[in-house]
Amino acid sequence: GAVVSQHPSRVICKSGTSVKIECRSLDFQATTMFWYRQFPKKSLMLMATSNEGSKATYEQGVEKDKFLINHASLTLSTLTVTSAHPEDSSFYICSAWDRDTEAFFGQGTRLTVV
Amino acid sequence: AQSVTQLGSHVSVSEGALVLLRCNYSSSVPPYLFWYVQYPNQGLQLLLKYTTGATLVKGINGFEAEFKKSETSFHLTKPSAHMSDAAEYFCAVRRTGFQKLVFGTGTRLLVSP
Repeated sequence: GAVVSQHPSRVICKSGTSVKIECRSLDFQATTMFWYRQFPKKSLMLMATSNEGSKATYEQGVEKDKFLINHASLTLSTLTVTSAHPEDSSFYICSAWDRDTEAFFGQGTRLTVV
Repeated sequence: AQSVTQLGSHVSVSEGALVLLRCNYSSSVPPYLFWYVQYPNQGLQLLLKYTTGATLVKGINGFEAEFKKSETSFHLTKPSAHMSDAAEYFCAVRRTGFQKLVFGTGTRLLVSP
């Protein structure tokens, strides 16, 4: 089946620095990718829809300047957490649909801001 | 707007017992419905999905779910639980023609020996 690869799986960064998370569709093209945030013992919260070649669409309440999304190619979307703070610590997951039939999810990235 | 309700944040069963995880949805149009499983610190894996056609859907690892329009339900079942089934399970709904998934709050399945 299709694979979505997310990197890194874990990252620890200092408060005030930026962190980039990559999401790649390995064997299919994805014009649209989705970024989720998951709090401990909670469900997935959609943060934004990443559109290849255009601006991302952010969900209400998500800071665009804090969470920068770039979808430069049909197989790569990146999420950059800018000026990270401890409250940004979370589990971030990306997903993409293959042929509009099934959503595939990355392995997730555990971000810890210290 | 679409929504998903998963009854029970935790479900405990003994190994070999029936697993039943409940999911009710709200949708103004025929929905696509999904069940995903998540193991600790990992992404989501699709167990099964309903789009159209047969209302009883069989998935991986012995799981199945039945779409009941009259009850707006899509409950997940497995006849005999295995220790390896212990995980978080999410029900999700998608509106036809759109790719956004709306997730339920999740149910943690605990399996005891």
